[in-house]
Parts: sequence; C-alpha cells; structure tokens
Amino acid sequence: GENVEQHPSTLSVQEGDSAVIKCTYSDSASNYFPWYKQELGKGPQLIIDIRSNVGEKKDQRIAVTLNKTAKHFSLHITETQPEDSAVYFCAASKNDYKLSFGAGTTVTVRA
Amino acid sequence: DAGVTQSPTHLIKTRGQQVTLRCSPKSGHDTVSWYQQALGQGPQFIFQYYEEEERQRGNFPDRFSGHQFPNYSSELNVNALLLGDSALYLCASQWGVEETQYFGPGTRLTVL
Repeated sequence: GENVEQHPSTLSVQEGDSAVIKCTYSDSASNYFPWYKQELGKGPQLIIDIRSNVGEKKDQRIAVTLNKTAKHFSLHITETQPEDSAVYFCAASKNDYKLSFGAGTTVTVRA
Repeated sequence: DAGVTQSPTHLIKTRGQQVTLRCSPKSGHDTVSWYQQALGQGPQFIFQYYEEEERQRGNFPDRFSGHQFPNYSSELNVNALLLGDSALYLCASQWGVEETQYFGPGTRLTVL
C-alpha cells in the first residue's frame, strides 16, 4: 500500500518567518494530495489540496508544490502567525478515496 | 451548513466490551469514511461506506465493523475491545466521486 513520509516531525519558527514541510509518497499512481491542520482536541481541517495534473497551488499565505517525478510534495506557509501553531498532516490517495497520512509535523510559531 | 458531527465526544470502556460510535456527514455528502488516530500519529483508514455498503477496508481486524443508514449517517462498532484500541476515532465525509474529505471532531475512546 501507499507509504507517506513527512519531515520534519517538529518545526519552530519566529513569527513572520516561513515554514516548510515536506512529504514523500511511494505509490506513483497516487494523484491527490491534501494537507490538513489539526488543532488540539479537534479533527483535521483541510487547508489546501493539489492534484497530480498541477505542479503548484497557492491560497493566500499557503502554497503547495508537487514533484511527480521525485514523488514528493511540500507545504509552504509564509508570514507565519501564532494561530498557525498546530499539527499539520500531509496525505495521498489514488482514485480510491482512501487517504494515507504522514505522521504529522508539530509547528510552533514563536511570538 | 452543518459540518460532520460525531457522538459521543468521549467514551471510556473496559477491555472486552463493545462500543458504537456515530457520525452524521456534512450536508449533501453521501460517503463516509472512518479513521483511527493513535496519540501522536496520523489517522489510519479503517473503512469507507457508500450507498450503505462497505466500499473499501484498511488493515483492521473483523472486530471493527460498520454500517451506513439510508440518510447517509454511519456507525462504527468495535467488539472485544483491547487496550490498543484507545484512540481518537475520526469520521470523514465526501460527495460521491469528489476526492475532498471533511473530518468531524472525533470521538476519544479510552479502553481501561
């Protein structure tokens, strides 16, 4: 089955700096890559997603890039704010609607 | 527009007992998936229901079973609970062929 690896496991950034989280996937048939943000005591919230026919997608301060050849995708958060502090998960799926998740990255934004 | 709702919020059971968790999908969604999230880990896919049938299943034993009702709501049942079943159980819904899944707040199950 699909194996998704996520790095780093923890990330501390100064407010206003950028944060980058990287994921790799094993199954070349995967074609949908969402990112979720999970705050303490809550369920995962979709923040951005990308499909395999697109190399980059941006939504305000958040962007995602996909390299199908290398089988990796990344989340970029610019101008980080304290409310960006949370656990972020990447995931992958291949037309079967089953999401395979990475282990998560705990992001802490220092004021 | 109500999002995905789950009940109960928290649950404490003892080993060997059985538990039922409930999920109502987001309005307009007809597909429900269940995930198990152990502490400090990413969610793991249990199974997915569509048109009241189990469409897909992850690597979970038969102790985990489910059901989907005509109104698209769903239940997750776990029999013969083990200590290792302690986790946050998440329900996610989507519409048919759309890939985007929306998660509920989860049910925290503790097995003593």
